[in-house]
Amino acid sequence: DTGVSQDPRHKITKRGQNVTFRCDPISEHNRLYWYRQTLGQGPEFLTYFQNEAQLEKSRLLSDRFSAERPKGSFSTLEIQRTEQGDSAMYLCASSSRDKPNEKLFFGSGTQLSVL
Amino acid sequence: AQKITQTQPGMFVQEKEAVTLDCTYDTSDPSYGLFWYKQPSSGEMIFLIYQGSYDQQNATEGRYSLNFQKARKSANLVISASQLGDSAMYFCALRGDYKLSFGAGTTVTVRA
Repeated sequence: DTGVSQDPRHKITKRGQNVTFRCDPISEHNRLYWYRQTLGQGPEFLTYFQNEAQLEKSRLLSDRFSAERPKGSFSTLEIQRTEQGDSAMYLCASSSRDKPNEKLFFGSGTQLSVL
Repeated sequence: AQKITQTQPGMFVQEKEAVTLDCTYDTSDPSYGLFWYKQPSSGEMIFLIYQGSYDQQNATEGRYSLNFQKARKSANLVISASQLGDSAMYFCALRGDYKLSFGAGTTVTVRA
């Protein structure tokens, strides 16, 4: 169990640029989640995958955001035409089942700063 | 819809003392799980303790215990014998089926 990996750890970009983040979940986990966390707040749900299927997208996920999990393993989150309000920590998590007692395992996050 | 409320933005506690972090919740799911996570300044979310909605006893994990009062919809975290390394942000979270919903968090600062 190598844990959930996220890359990069930090990303600084200029407004209007596109950025892409990668998440590698725990290998046997087929559920994958993306969250966004702004300073001093709790993580907010963005989207959820079961295998390669994206089953829910939050209204927070504007049309500039797209997430994929093409082979049901790693996932990417792309933000197009970044805005300063996109500056946040983007957290990825995985789990093996959709059960109330199943905890989510989190990566260390990607800290995005949009200048 | 699920809602988690943590009303204490920040707390100070003396080393070796106990501290209680409040959490109230609201959900329409008949079966749910309550979780507490710790987030140090490095950013990773560390799982601390879990309480199931049908569990008869309060959960304990080492120095962490959960005071679960289902009728009041509260799930307070108690950290006993605080250590300097406990300084972090603490989040209460609720899971009904697939999604984990978080509260706003409480920052705990342990003083020597």
